[in-house]
Amino acid sequence: SQQGEEDPQALSIQEGENATMNCSYKTSINNLQWYRQNSGRGLVHLILIRSNEREKHSGRLRVTLDTSKKSSSLLITASRAADTASYFCAPSGGAQKLVFGQGTRLTINP
Amino acid sequence: DTEVTQTPKHLVMGMTNKKSLKCEQHMGHRAMYWYKQKAKKPPELMFVYSYEKLSINESVPSRFSPECPNSSLLNLHLHALQPEDSALYLCASRTSGRNEQFFGPGTRLTVL
Repeated sequence: SQQGEEDPQALSIQEGENATMNCSYKTSINNLQWYRQNSGRGLVHLILIRSNEREKHSGRLRVTLDTSKKSSSLLITASRAADTASYFCAPSGGAQKLVFGQGTRLTINP
Repeated sequence: DTEVTQTPKHLVMGMTNKKSLKCEQHMGHRAMYWYKQKAKKPPELMFVYSYEKLSINESVPSRFSPECPNSSLLNLHLHALQPEDSALYLCASRTSGRNEQFFGPGTRLTVL
């Protein structure tokens, strides 16, 4: 099964700045998903990008996918305090099962 | 109704107790999941139910016993747990043909 590796493990930025986190994986995928988890809470699905897509936007989120490099990035623009959370990527070869990477812990400083 | 609910929110139990975690969704999703998450770690898949049948068991110890009594409910029965089983237990659901999973808020379990 797939597992992503996020980089960096932790990221601390000032409010209003952009945050970029990366995900690498090892084998071919059908899609790649990004999830957010606020401290001690459930995960929230943010965005899904399919293997035939290169870029996708949702509000302040921009996700890219480079299947030749087996990597994806998540960009959060104009960060807010509420964006403080852990972010997990989940590369997927099919619908049934997701394996999450270690995550990036993002802290937005006021 | 577009949410997954989990009860209880917090549970403290002794190693000899029997307790159950409950998960409910009314979105018509036919795939339901149990995950275990330790502090500062990603969620780890435990079980997957598809159309009320167990389809994936990730070699979970038998002291964890899942049950899917109907398409809206998922239970996790706990018996003779160990302190290292203390964790956040997350339930999720997914609709057929789509990949996104919807997560509940979790049950914080402490085993004494």
